[in-house]
Amino acid sequence: AQTVTQSQPEMSVQEAETVTLSCTYDTSESDYYLFWYKQPPSRQMILVIRQEAYKQQNATENRFSVNFQKAAKSFSLKISDSQLGDAAMYFCAYRRGGNNRKLIWGLGTSLAVNP
Amino acid sequence: KAGVTQTPRYLIKTRGQQVTLSCSPISGHRSVSWYQQTPGQGLQFLFEYFSETQRNKGNFPGRFSGRQFSNSRSEMNVSTLELGDSALYLCASSLAGLAGKNTGELFFGEGSRLTVL
Repeated sequence: AQTVTQSQPEMSVQEAETVTLSCTYDTSESDYYLFWYKQPPSRQMILVIRQEAYKQQNATENRFSVNFQKAAKSFSLKISDSQLGDAAMYFCAYRRGGNNRKLIWGLGTSLAVNP
Repeated sequence: KAGVTQTPRYLIKTRGQQVTLSCSPISGHRSVSWYQQTPGQGLQFLFEYFSETQRNKGNFPGRFSGRQFSNSRSEMNVSTLELGDSALYLCASSLAGLAGKNTGELFFGEGSRLTVL
């Protein structure tokens, strides 16, 4: 069975600084997708960034980038120039390839941004 | 474009009762998934519906059921409520196309907060 592990329940960062959130996963599949979702206190889950396993290039979205290490089954999220609005729960999630929409989630990392 | 709409946002029930939650997906999205979120267990997949058919199901007891209508709106039902059913129930919709390199991005609603007393 696939699993997703986020080993950092809480993290904090100073505004304008950089922070890295860790995620590891376990799967025997070769076709899969990885995601980072953000859940602010308002609760609505928002997609931050996604990575297709078949792509070697790390995904980037503005201030957000990932370090995808397929052999190590590691998928960390780097947030550069942190802003107060980045404060939220961050969830790492895995989805097997194909048409299924079942996401397997880590337990999340609560990120605080200090002014 | 309207987002995913879930109703009700909050509800309180007592043990033994049943509850129905509703989800209206983004227009054009034919896949609707449901997740249960609790502090202890995190996010757990309940089921996914596509074109009125359940396409995938998580490991929840039969008290949890769902359905999807021809307009893609979905409902989930929990019967004989237990205290442990207290949770945030999240609905997500996505474009569900043919097999292929579809990342299947999920768009979430704000959730329905269920409290069972």
